[in-house]
Formats: sequence, structure tokens, C-alpha cells
Amino acid sequence: DTGVSQNPRHKITKRGQNVTFRCDPISEHNRLYWYRQTLGQGPEFLTYFQNEAQLEKSRLLSDRFSAERPKGSFSTLEIQRTEQGDSAMYLCASSPLTALSPGELFFGEGSRLTVL
Amino acid sequence: GDSVTQMEGPVTLSEEAFLTINCTYTATGYPSLFWYVQYPGEGLQLLLKATKADDKGSNKGFEATYRKETTSFHLEKGSVQVSDSAVYFCALSHNAGKSTFGDGTTLTVKP
Repeated sequence: DTGVSQNPRHKITKRGQNVTFRCDPISEHNRLYWYRQTLGQGPEFLTYFQNEAQLEKSRLLSDRFSAERPKGSFSTLEIQRTEQGDSAMYLCASSPLTALSPGELFFGEGSRLTVL
Repeated sequence: GDSVTQMEGPVTLSEEAFLTINCTYTATGYPSLFWYVQYPGEGLQLLLKATKADDKGSNKGFEATYRKETTSFHLEKGSVQVSDSAVYFCALSHNAGKSTFGDGTTLTVKP
């Protein structure tokens, strides 16, 4: 399967702990996006990369959140000092950035975070 | 900032009924518009898209027309099936940057 892969699929942690999620995009896609989704809501934008450059980060994003894409391939999203309000599904998507697919996103199945 | 408003759900229909899910947006310029679908237990996937005014996106019997004058992108299907039961999200994007999503509409189709 050559789709977007996210790991782990489910993470349960205690408040105050750090967690890291990994996303492997479709290999030829140069844009990678992170979103957060809570029950009954649509995906909320967190940040996105073009190759290894982080082009935009949501102003709503706490400084406890950091994302990297060091070699322009996989990406990691780290949440430090987790809070119960961080409990959500974290979605990764990639995009080929072609004239035929402007803004079309290919999503992974998500990583569900539960903070106790 | 950009925003997308979808009709509130859930929507319950009988098989072969006509479906409309309303979507309106607020944005500057001319964004691309999308409908994504999330089937039970699966990730979001693109259903259809339109990149400029008056474009009609279509896929799997679903259609939506980009209406600049009413800032709308309503999703329609003439005859729904049980397999169409899913959550549908309307979204917009500028130049393949961040996408803004609506809150989703849950559709249940009963046999």
C-alpha cells in the first residue's frame, strides 16, 4: 500500500507527558499537512510543509506543539506536556502540488491521542 | 479569515432518495472547493472538486457546482444507496495551502 501512513494509530498517555506522531506521505508528494479533528468537528489546520520547509503554522497552535520534516520525506508532530484538551485525532495529509490537483489532500487514517 | 458552513445533520434518507447537502463559504479571491467523504472506520478521501467558478465536480454519481455568486458548493446525488452512508465534509483551499473544512454532515441511508 502506497498511501499516507501514520503511527502510532492510537496513543494513550498521562497528562504532562510528551508524545510524538509520525507521518509517511505518498512518496512523490512534496506537500505535507497536519490537522487535528475532534468529535463532531471538521479537521482543523495545524501546519504544513513544502519539502522540508514549514510554510505555515496555525496561530492557534500552542508552542507545546512542534513539527518537523527534516529530509522532506516523513514528518513528526510532537506535543510536549500534554493536556486533556489535546485529546483528538491527529490527521496527516499529503499533496502532489500539481496544476491538476490544486489543494487535493490524501489523508492517512489518523493517530488518536487520549490524554488521561 | 476563511470559513465553511455546512447544513447541520444528521441526515437520514431512504434508499433511492434524492440527496442535497448544503455548503456555503466565506473567502477572499477564488479558492478551490472540495467535498471529502469519510466512510465508517476509514480515513477522509476526496469525493470531488472544482477549481473555478461554474465548474461542476462529479464522482460516483455525486455532483457539486462552484457558484461564485452565491458562494456555495452544494452536494447532490439523484439516488442514494446504503453504501453512501458516511460523513461528508466541504472544504476550500487557496493555492494548495491550508484547507478550511466544514464540520461535516452525517448521512445515513436506510434500505
